[in-house]
Amino acid sequence: EMQLVESGGGLVKPGGSLRLSCVVSGFTFRNAWMSWVRQAPGKGLEWVGRIKSKTDGGTTDYAAPVKGRFTISRDDSKDTLYLQMNSLKTEDTAVYYCSTGYCSTGSCAFDNWGQGTLVTVSS
Amino acid sequence: QSVLTQPPSVSVAPGQKVTISCSGSSSNIGNNYVSWYQQLPGTAPKLLIYDNNKRPSGIPDRFSGSKSGTSATLGITGLQTGDEADYYCGTWDSSLSAGVFGGGTKLTVL
Repeated sequence: EMQLVESGGGLVKPGGSLRLSCVVSGFTFRNAWMSWVRQAPGKGLEWVGRIKSKTDGGTTDYAAPVKGRFTISRDDSKDTLYLQMNSLKTEDTAVYYCSTGYCSTGSCAFDNWGQGTLVTVSS
Repeated sequence: QSVLTQPPSVSVAPGQKVTISCSGSSSNIGNNYVSWYQQLPGTAPKLLIYDNNKRPSGIPDRFSGSKSGTSATLGITGLQTGDEADYYCGTWDSSLSAGVFGGGTKLTVL
């Protein structure tokens, strides 16, 4: 069974940093394209960014609101996806989900999701 | 403001059929495949439809998807109270080089 488990969320002050992790099992992580999707309280889904598999170049793309502040990386030896979040703003408060699936020119579909981890940015 | 436009809410009687629209532009829906997600209260989203009209394994054929031009539609037949959820469309936007979602549609079965 495919499982994605996020961790690392919590309360952080504006301007602070946080690193989220997503440990996966039940599938070959190194072949997977991975994304982070967030959901602010009471709001809709917002794509944060994506990292391709190393076989496909390992490149990243980010949504405009987080570009330059957030960095997605992966450690295939640990089956783990990361989201490094710097210069956090109150508007970054959300549940952050990791997900699998192709997301690039042509289509974007997320077929497996974690349970999410809550990040709260507040003074 | 979401890149893709969905109606905020729809209400339908049990057993009936509903369609949920998702409107975009040539840079997203017009030239990319659309996916649809169901989010039950307090849970993570679940993929219902990908590549405009394909269902993942385990998704019943009560759920269907279609696309025409720069709009897409999710159809659900035989509505049950268990279908009450938020539904989102999503795709890639070639101008933004980013994934994009609709604002979501809250389905009420009453």
